Amino acid sequence: LAKTTQPISMDSYEGQEVNITCSHNNIATNDYITWYQQFPSQGPRFIIQGYKTKVTNEVASLFIPADRKSSTLSLPRVSLSDTAVYYCLVGDKGSSNTGKLIFGQGTTLQVKP
Amino acid sequence: KAGVTQTPRYLIKTRGQQVTLSCSPISGHRSVSWYQQTPGQGLQFLFEYFSETQRNKGNFPGRFSGRQFSNSRSEMNVSTLELGDSALYLCASSWGQGRIYEQYFGPGTRLTVT
Repeated sequence: LAKTTQPISMDSYEGQEVNITCSHNNIATNDYITWYQQFPSQGPRFIIQGYKTKVTNEVASLFIPADRKSSTLSLPRVSLSDTAVYYCLVGDKGSSNTGKLIFGQGTTLQVKP
Repeated sequence: KAGVTQTPRYLIKTRGQQVTLSCSPISGHRSVSWYQQTPGQGLQFLFEYFSETQRNKGNFPGRFSGRQFSNSRSEMNVSTLELGDSALYLCASSWGQGRIYEQYFGPGTRLTVT
């Protein structure tokens, strides 16, 4: 699985839009980009997944440029409850390693009032 | 639909003992994976089971083992516990077919080894 690099921490204020960028220079043609969110003492929660351009769901948007060497998770109008660790993962959706998620260090987002 | 459940939620053991943790996946999910989370090493993959067979294994010593039953429930066992085994152990389930990165995690079992 491709290695990912994210900022270790970010601060924001309630109501702001937060963008967390993940670098994955060695992404392979078949790799997808997936983001997870984890609150303290809980298991990670799947947020969004994409392959190219833009993906949006009720929680977030994922922007992927044409070269796919990076991606940006966008959280609109964050609240205090969005304070969590956000993980970016890259891997082949069709590989035999179907259950093996490789987590990096993640980005700790602190939302302030 | 009920989520992934793990039992027990908290556990305190002594060095040298062994421990068994249990995980019940979401109904219909056939793949169960286990992860260890510590402040120093982060989230690390232990192993994955699908249809009662281990399909993947992480870089952990043989003291860590697991199994899956015909109803997809899974257990993991750690023998000869060491202080460094203190961690949050997370179980995740998925359909196991083509949606590999959409896994559903349980709340974890907090293991403390003294």
